[in-house]
Amino acid sequence: AQTVTQSQPEMSVQEAETVTLSCTYDTSESDYYLFWYKQPPSRQMILVIRQEAYKQQNATENRFSVNFQKAAKSFSLKISDSQLGDAAMYFCAYRYANTGNQFYFGTGTSLTVIP
Amino acid sequence: EAQVTQNPRYLITVTGKKLTVTCSQNMNHEYMSWYRQDPGLGLRQIYYSMNVEVTDKGDVPEGYKVSRKEKRNFPLILESPSPNQTSLYFCASSTWTGNTQYFGPGTRLTVL
Repeated sequence: AQTVTQSQPEMSVQEAETVTLSCTYDTSESDYYLFWYKQPPSRQMILVIRQEAYKQQNATENRFSVNFQKAAKSFSLKISDSQLGDAAMYFCAYRYANTGNQFYFGTGTSLTVIP
Repeated sequence: EAQVTQNPRYLITVTGKKLTVTCSQNMNHEYMSWYRQDPGLGLRQIYYSMNVEVTDKGDVPEGYKVSRKEKRNFPLILESPSPNQTSLYFCASSTWTGNTQYFGPGTRLTVL
């Protein structure tokens, strides 16, 4: 089975500052997808950003960007200009491109935004 | 509105009493999944389905059953719930590419 590791159970950031959440994964496959999901206190799971492994360019979505290092099997999330609404649990997830529907999630990082 | 719905949202039950958590999506998605979320463990996939009558085990299938008789519905069945199945459960759906999963609002289950 694939494994996804988030080594930072908790992180904090000052409002308007930048924070980076770490994620590493273990796989022998070359074609896969990586995701970051946000879970606010409402418990709703919200897709933040997605990266296809075959793409060398790092994905960006407004204030959110990733640093995808395929050889190192690393997939970190950078949040710029942090806002109070960014406070949430963040999960990294992996999906092999050809298995259809098997997803593997990390254990999550709880992000606190300090006003 | 495109959405995944789950019912009930909250359920308290007793050991051994069979229960079903329903999941329905209105996006005509082929893929559907069930997850459980536990503190410190993240989300773990219980079962997934790639289409009607096609289901497969995820990482933690013991004690659960599913069925996919219609494309839009994917119920989770606990035949004999036990306290270690107390958890937050999510249903999710996606197209066959699986690139974007849409999650339901979650079901908080407590087994006494």
